Amino acid sequence: AQSVTQPDIHITVSEGASLELRCNYSYGATPYLFWYVQSPGQGLQLLLKYFSGDTLVQGIKGFEAEFKRSQSSFNLRKPSVHWSDAAEYFCAVGPPGGGNKLTFGTGTQLKVEL
Amino acid sequence: IAGITQAPTSQILAAGRRMTLRCTQDMRHNAMYWYRQDLGLGLRLIHYSNTAGTTGKGEVPDGYSVSRANTDDFPLTLASAVPSQTSVYFCASSAGANTGELFFGEGSRLTVL
Repeated sequence: AQSVTQPDIHITVSEGASLELRCNYSYGATPYLFWYVQSPGQGLQLLLKYFSGDTLVQGIKGFEAEFKRSQSSFNLRKPSVHWSDAAEYFCAVGPPGGGNKLTFGTGTQLKVEL
Repeated sequence: IAGITQAPTSQILAAGRRMTLRCTQDMRHNAMYWYRQDLGLGLRLIHYSNTAGTTGKGEVPDGYSVSRANTDDFPLTLASAVPSQTSVYFCASSAGANTGELFFGEGSRLTVL
């Protein structure tokens, strides 16, 4: 069965610092990969997705993620964090070839210090 | 503003009672989903519907039922609520079954006592 691991439950960074959130997956083949963000009291919003092609994908709000097949990873990065980025971030995988029954990781709570 | 509307926003319910969480979308999306979110467990899929008239079971379907009579509505029913169903429930939709992009509602917080 597929699984997604986000090893960091909480991360704190200073505003302006760089950010990397880790995501590892277990799947029989290369799945579709996603990062979602959840602001307090809100639903989830898609940041970016990887289906195929260029392994470095750009998303909204200045985020990017890199797919590394050899490491089964899809880490999320941002060069300079803003206070408004404080939220919970979820990595998710979906069946290769389509299908939206996503499997989500347990999330990483990001705190930004001013 | 187009999107997904969930109701109620919050509810406290006695164990054994029946409860229906409502979800309506105005984006004319074909596929809809119900997830529950629990601390330390992330989001888990309860039920889904790829198109009106069809439904399917997700990862944690026991104790829940859904229906999809039309494109816009996808209610989730707890026939006899139990305390382990205390959670935040999110409805989501997508334009197709293979797009990967889900649009989420703001959630319904349910407490079963």
